[in-house]
Amino acid sequence: SQELEQSPQSLIVQEGKNLTINCTSSKTLYGLYWYKQKYGEGLIFLMMLQKGGEEKSHEKITAKLDEKKQQSSLHITASQPSHAGIYLCGAAYTSGTYKYIFGTGTRLKVLA
Amino acid sequence: NAGVTQTPKFQVLKTGQSMTLQCAQDMNHNSMYWYRQDPGMGLRLIYYSASEGTTDKGEVPNGYNVSRLNKREFSLRLESAAPSQTSVYFCASTYRQSNEQFFGPGTRLTVL
Repeated sequence: SQELEQSPQSLIVQEGKNLTINCTSSKTLYGLYWYKQKYGEGLIFLMMLQKGGEEKSHEKITAKLDEKKQQSSLHITASQPSHAGIYLCGAAYTSGTYKYIFGTGTRLKVLA
Repeated sequence: NAGVTQTPKFQVLKTGQSMTLQCAQDMNHNSMYWYRQDPGMGLRLIYYSASEGTTDKGEVPNGYNVSRLNKREFSLRLESAAPSQTSVYFCASTYRQSNEQFFGPGTRLTVL
């Protein structure tokens, strides 16, 4: 959806390098969700961000939501081959919504 | 807990054939969703069920029907399959609206 843009579309990094994936919304977010999808499999929930300026970490993955609640970044420190996959951001724009919007994903490849 | 399960994992249909995709969750979630994932288009919502006994259209409902059989199960039916319905179909569930979604492993459907 054009409401939610992810960048870059694809990324190839050497093992051990840091990387950042961005998710930008055209509207103020209620909630922003990060998922990881391994090729040919379902989506695994990573983190949910709701408050402006919020930051959460899961193992070597950190996600932040900006103060205006329109942009989120996902940062991976010291990448490993196990981090490879497709990272998707999803958004809810109101507290009572059932209609989530998803970005088109960022394909990450980590070279050993 | 198995989480969200989907059957079948793969299916090939001829144009005009019908089939039902099954989804079940064992997390006592109230809401369930059906998405399709196509290259370059991200996840698009087909139908959702806010609670047992209710269903509503999403972004791309044409050509599909759904049934919320009980709190655990939500099925998606293609009455007369078309090549444009070739896609990967994901079922998801949430405890309540705007919460993070939990996804099944997907069904890869090809319509010839």
